[in-house]
Amino acid sequence: SQQGEEDPQALSIQEGENATMNCSYKTSINNLQWYRQNSGRGLVHLILIRSNEREKHSGRLRVTLDTSKKSSSLLITASRAADTASYFCATDDGSNFGNEKLTFGTGTRLTIIP
Amino acid sequence: KAGVTQTPRYLIKTRGQQVTLSCSPISGHRSVSWYQQTPGQGLQFLFEYFSETQRNKGNFPGRFSGRQFSNSRSEMNVSTLELGDSALYLCASSLRQGSIWWDTDTQYFGPGTRLTVL
Repeated sequence: SQQGEEDPQALSIQEGENATMNCSYKTSINNLQWYRQNSGRGLVHLILIRSNEREKHSGRLRVTLDTSKKSSSLLITASRAADTASYFCATDDGSNFGNEKLTFGTGTRLTIIP
Repeated sequence: KAGVTQTPRYLIKTRGQQVTLSCSPISGHRSVSWYQQTPGQGLQFLFEYFSETQRNKGNFPGRFSGRQFSNSRSEMNVSTLELGDSALYLCASSLRQGSIWWDTDTQYFGPGTRLTVL
């Protein structure tokens, strides 16, 4: 079952604008990760944020995590046509024994209009 | 370093047949996980192997099985294929060394195997 729900399901913006997508999850976690997928291909890892972190940056990406609300957001600044893809959040199960079992959200389909 | 590789990339089978998919992790990675992606159910975890042992398992029927070899390469097998098994099967590897609870390593995904069951 999907732990994460992403919002919005689809987003279209003009090139150069910022894109924000949100992820909510249900159980305690150790980490939350964001991935990008282009048209049914493999997943590309974007960023990992640990449960004791509130914000993390990587290039044009900014991720926030609010464990009290069980939610995260991904901000892509100065969007480019190449950012057109589906974006997924993924969480572990919060267990104490190094867990590679990721639960993925439903994804946000981002379209950048040139 | 070469990324995660999966073979074959595309596969067409008929109902009732069985299929074996292969995954070669990034050199040095000992953890290999498998995921199924379908339009209806999204991305779902199948199982994870570490040092030839299945460490985690998702909620899939016993028709889905896997194994890992001493060189960390992994295979998954689906027996008695059903139409609903049509999906993109993704393999991921990570550098996890042990079981430190907070130390989730990044999982690097391969390009996937597109399985079509007719």
